Amino acid sequence: GIQVEQSPPDLILQEGANSTLRCNFSDSVNNLQWFHQNPWGQLINLFYIPSGTKQNGRLSATTVATERYSLLYISSSQTTDSGVYFCAVAEYGNKLVFGAGTILRVKS
Amino acid sequence: DGGITQSPKYLFRKEGQNVTLSCEQNLNHDAMYWYRQDPGQGLRLIYYSQIVNDFQKGDIAEGYSVSREKKESFPLTVTSAQKNPTAFYLCASSMQSGLNYGYTFGSGTRLTVV
Repeated sequence: GIQVEQSPPDLILQEGANSTLRCNFSDSVNNLQWFHQNPWGQLINLFYIPSGTKQNGRLSATTVATERYSLLYISSSQTTDSGVYFCAVAEYGNKLVFGAGTILRVKS
Repeated sequence: DGGITQSPKYLFRKEGQNVTLSCEQNLNHDAMYWYRQDPGQGLRLIYYSQIVNDFQKGDIAEGYSVSREKKESFPLTVTSAQKNPTAFYLCASSMQSGLNYGYTFGSGTRLTVV
């Protein structure tokens, strides 16, 4: 099955810093999503982005489907950005396979 | 407000007992999913359903069962055959057609075997 690798596994930032999270996948996909899991376990969908670039406030994402990777950019990080960021993909349909996640800690 | 409701938030199960986790959505989504998350790990798919009265096994279906009698509801039963059921269980839903297949997740159920 399709493999999803996220990097880095852990990231510590000072408040106000910028960061880039990466997601590599092993096969062509028609569905790619980024999620944020807060410390209480709630998963929030950040982007549905099988290709191209999207922006939502301080967050943006780019997927280069032909090269099988996606990037999530966080600018001017805040302590509330802390948590785990997951990338998830599907080769077809909507059955997502999740990566292991990137743990982000933003210090004030 | 539209969303997904999972209940209970915390559940304790004795050895040999079956328990059922509830998942209800009012988003009019066609598809629903159950995932399991173990500490420090990603999510693994247990079962999914694309339409009412139909569901398919995911990657780790052994020891679990589901039903989809109504579009809004997708309960998960953790049976006594599941040898290591302690985990965080997440339910999600999505559209099956259109331009955005983004998932919406519930707030999860933490199951502990005592």
